[in-house]
Amino acid sequence: GQNIDQPTEMTATEGAIVQINCTYQTSGFNGLFWYQQHAGEAPTFLSYNVLDGLEEKGRFSSFLSRSKGYSYLLLKELQMKDSASYLCAGMDSNYQLIWGAGTKLIIKP
Amino acid sequence: IAGITQAPTSQILAAGRRMTLRCTQDMRHNAMYWYRQDLGLGLRLIHYSNTAGTTGKGEVPDGYSVSRANTDDFPLTLASAVPSQTSVYFCASSPGTENTGELFFGEGSRLTVL
Repeated sequence: GQNIDQPTEMTATEGAIVQINCTYQTSGFNGLFWYQQHAGEAPTFLSYNVLDGLEEKGRFSSFLSRSKGYSYLLLKELQMKDSASYLCAGMDSNYQLIWGAGTKLIIKP
Repeated sequence: IAGITQAPTSQILAAGRRMTLRCTQDMRHNAMYWYRQDLGLGLRLIHYSNTAGTTGKGEVPDGYSVSRANTDDFPLTLASAVPSQTSVYFCASSPGTENTGELFFGEGSRLTVL
């Protein structure tokens, strides 16, 4: 079956770095995607990886290891506005996204 | 502001009633999607449309129907609502006829079926 696993909740301190892990099992693989969702709002696209390695976008980076079925989202210099849920999604061979339940990130001052 | 508009934002509905959730986009995107989001679960695809005039079933299509008469509109209909359809519904779009993975979401419609 297809499955995306990520932690339910994480807590971090303002100004620090946090890594949110995601493991995936999909039927075929066409990329790994990260979205941010603030409470009561729509998900917004953050990043994607289709090849192994690190993709950096400002304070956010995403890493992929296809051989391990593993990705992480790294958030640096955490700000209070980063408090949100982070959704990991894998794209299968039919180009459909399989979504994890999301990781709720709580930032403390 | 360009984007996706969903209506209604929130609705309480009696079981057995028919309900249509509206979704309109002005980005001229080819593909559109309907997802439901439930606590503790990932987004689940209900129906999708790769281009106007075509639709397809997602992971959880039962009890729902869609139509895609034109590029901009993609309504989702619950023919006879049941309490298990209580959820937050998100409409999304992407530019290509195949899913690139970068989806643009509407603000969601919160539906409660009693």
